Amino acid sequence: QSVLTQPPSASGTPGQRVTISCSGSSSNIGSNYVYWYQQLPGTAPKLLIYRNNQRPSGVPDRFSGSKSGTSASLAISGLRSEDEADYYCAAWDDSLSALWVFGGGTKLTVL
Amino acid sequence: QVTLKESGPVLVKPTETLTLTCTVSGFSLSNARMGVSWIRQPPGKALEWLAHIFSNDEKSYSTSLKSRLTISKDTSKSQVVLTMTNMDPVDTATYYCARIGVQQPFDYWGQGTLVTVSS
Repeated sequence: QSVLTQPPSASGTPGQRVTISCSGSSSNIGSNYVYWYQQLPGTAPKLLIYRNNQRPSGVPDRFSGSKSGTSASLAISGLRSEDEADYYCAAWDDSLSALWVFGGGTKLTVL
Repeated sequence: QVTLKESGPVLVKPTETLTLTCTVSGFSLSNARMGVSWIRQPPGKALEWLAHIFSNDEKSYSTSLKSRLTISKDTSKSQVVLTMTNMDPVDTATYYCARIGVQQPFDYWGQGTLVTVSS
């Protein structure tokens, strides 16, 4: 059971805008930054969004992140077939149970 | 460019100790405010953070696995080593090392190494 809660799946057609949610608590998302990672099939995760809404160099501006309270969202606009992947949110947790916590992952299917 | 590469056994027996090595290049383990984490992913499941070590030798562990984990580094060899004792089949996973960059945790990842625990 992951500390951060994500929907197990999401889908959209090419060109559409999709959002993936990530729900946490006051000890993680509520008081720390949220990060998003993209994991293409058979590969290592890749940093997609850092500090809630910042994109590393090379990440298209089709990807955007936001945070409100104890929840965060990743939005992908202009959906493309190559966006089909697993997406994970992560945050630092100030409680005693763990330090870095991840969501359970959302599998995005491009129909 | 920054690269990380994991190495270690592909198969371990239950109760054995796992030792994994992460060899980094493109940055130094002595760089201020940078570190390396170990993260694992059981087949078909989510990512799980295990431990990290920073340039000042600060170390932290997942509370649920703390008693079984030890992380260390050899700056001269550009290596970070993770040991996990008393391995169990549920520990079967792909183990990744990832850099903790300034403001950007897990900004670079190794390719991962699949470790299977079986007798």
